[in-house]
Amino acid sequence: AQTVTQSQPEMSVQEAETVTLSCTYDTSESDYYLFWYKQPPSRQMILVIRQEAYKQQNATENRFSVNFQKAAKSFSLKISDSQLGDAAMYFCAYRSGNDMRFGAGTRLTVKP
Amino acid sequence: ETGVTQTPRHLVMGMTNKKSLKCEQHLGHNAMYWYKQSAKKPLELMFVYNFKEQTENNSVPSRFSPECPNSSHLFLHLHTLQPEDSALYLCASSLDRDSRGYTFGSGTRLTVV
Repeated sequence: AQTVTQSQPEMSVQEAETVTLSCTYDTSESDYYLFWYKQPPSRQMILVIRQEAYKQQNATENRFSVNFQKAAKSFSLKISDSQLGDAAMYFCAYRSGNDMRFGAGTRLTVKP
Repeated sequence: ETGVTQTPRHLVMGMTNKKSLKCEQHLGHNAMYWYKQSAKKPLELMFVYNFKEQTENNSVPSRFSPECPNSSHLFLHLHTLQPEDSALYLCASSLDRDSRGYTFGSGTRLTVV
């Protein structure tokens, strides 16, 4: 079974600074997708960024970027120029076919 | 609003009650999912429906009964629940085998008393 591990239950960052959230996963598949979701207090799970496993280039979406290390099965999220609105739970997720698995989440606090 | 609507937003029910959670999407997605989110635990996949057919039941107790009358609507019928069933229940939808991930609703916060 595929598992997703987020080793940091909580992280904190100063406003305008950079923070990296860690994620590792376990799979025997070669074709899959990886995602980072954000869940603010409103409870809505919002897709932040996604990465196709067959692509070597790391995905980037504005202030959000990933470091995808396929051999190491690592998929970290970097948030640059952190903003107060970035405070939320962040979930790493793995998808193969219709099977999406999530990590336990990292609570990110942004200090003004 | 993402396009996936869940009602009610909050629900308090006794252990002997029967209630239903509703999920609706008009995104043209053909797969719908129920997840259970408990504090400090990964999201737990409960049920998967693909083109209205249940393709996965993740060892969920029979006191949870899903229903998918069409590809736009998904229900979760609840009866004789236990206090440990209190959680946030999230519905999601997607295109089958699409790389863009899932679209989630805002969830129903369920409290069993």
